[in-house]
Amino acid sequence: EVQLVESGGGLVQPGGSLRLSCAASGFTFSNYEMNWVRQAPGKGLEWVAYISSSGSTIYYADSVKGRFTISRDNARNSLYLQMNSLRAEDTAVHYCARDRLGYCTNGVCDHHYYYYMDVWGKGTTVTVSS
Amino acid sequence: SSELTQDPAVSVALGQTVRITCQGDSLRNSYASWFQQKPGQAPVLVIYGKNNRPSGIPDRFSGSSSGNTASLTITGAQAEDEADYYCNSRDSSGNLWVFGGGTRLTVL
Repeated sequence: EVQLVESGGGLVQPGGSLRLSCAASGFTFSNYEMNWVRQAPGKGLEWVAYISSSGSTIYYADSVKGRFTISRDNARNSLYLQMNSLRAEDTAVHYCARDRLGYCTNGVCDHHYYYYMDVWGKGTTVTVSS
Repeated sequence: SSELTQDPAVSVALGQTVRITCQGDSLRNSYASWFQQKPGQAPVLVIYGKNNRPSGIPDRFSGSSSGNTASLTITGAQAEDEADYYCNSRDSSGNLWVFGGGTRLTVL
């Protein structure tokens, strides 16, 4: 069974740090790009960071750039998010999600290829509060 | 980066058809994906690409797109379809992801 399991969340004071982990199983982790997505209480989904399969390409949302670091260990089938200088607005459930590339093959296609996030973990909660 | 706009709330009578829309410039370059999220649960992918459903997603869910607008249609809505629905796509650069603000679907 393809599965992602996040861990590492908790209560941290403003300005503090936390390291989230995402353990992958049921698929060849090293073949897939990965993402972190978060959801503040009562709010919508917000993409946080992306990392390529090798780890050589990384992108961040402006809201976390310079404070968060995404990384991966393909030998351990694990994805990480190092969160520094945490703020109250970082309080959220944090999900890891697998990134996929697909090709349009049915009928007339407006776009020949596309990306999507097909597998999500259940999330880990980060609370930033004094 | 770019934004995706969704109506905050939509309602549908049981068994009727409902369309949830998502607008944004990035959709001119990319298909949207659609996610269903029920309270206290992780998002679940329901539509991706031109109109593809992951295994286990009922065929009453379908997707379409035109210009800068993507749509998720539920034909014959069921009580269990009551949930929040989010669209997303890569942004205009193709590197970053953007999500719509979500649409809360109520089945009456």
